[in-house]
Amino acid sequence: SQQGEEDPQALSIQEGENATMNCSYKTSINNLQWYRQNSGRGLVHLILIRSNEREKHSGRLRVTLDTSKKSSSLLITASRAADTASYFCATDGFNFNKFYFGSGTKLNVKP
Amino acid sequence: DTAVSQTPKYLVTQMGNDKSIKCEQNLGHDTMYWYKQDSKKFLKIMFSYNNKELIINETVPNRFSPKSPDKAHLNLHINSLELGDSVVYFCASSQLKGGLTKNIQYFGAGTRLSVL
Repeated sequence: SQQGEEDPQALSIQEGENATMNCSYKTSINNLQWYRQNSGRGLVHLILIRSNEREKHSGRLRVTLDTSKKSSSLLITASRAADTASYFCATDGFNFNKFYFGSGTKLNVKP
Repeated sequence: DTAVSQTPKYLVTQMGNDKSIKCEQNLGHDTMYWYKQDSKKFLKIMFSYNNKELIINETVPNRFSPKSPDKAHLNLHINSLELGDSVVYFCASSQLKGGLTKNIQYFGAGTRLSVL
């Protein structure tokens, strides 16, 4: 299937450290997006990177995309306790209407 | 003024019952979705409507029937509820644009369904 798979499944770090999580997918894409889900809430869009882009920044977020390896990474710098959440990548598999999510990386930032 | 709101947030019901979950978006988007998230947090698309027309139906059992009375609403009706239907259901919306679409999805807070 097309679904993205995040790695690691869980990550625990101290406040101030950087957090890196990875996403792999299986088929060609137009865009890849990262979303955050706080416990008991819906997903919130963080950042989108197009298939012809290699890196994108937004505040403390840095996303990379390697289409040859069908992988992406999300780096959160100088993490805060408020960053504690699950992070999902979503790929569109050339179908703008349909996104594939994985099961996320659960990030715990300890104060 | 929540952008995507779904009700109820929690739904507890008996096996065999029929129930509905409602979703409304005030973003002016033309496309709405239903997703399900299982206990392992895996999120999977179920349905998508664009301008009230069904465009995605991910081989969901026909006990599940989406209904879109207008672009701002997409409801999910579930017949003959089963134990395995006990997951979290999320509504989402997006605006599909011509050319390089961004298709950023805006999610509701979810409905946790428990079938006893």
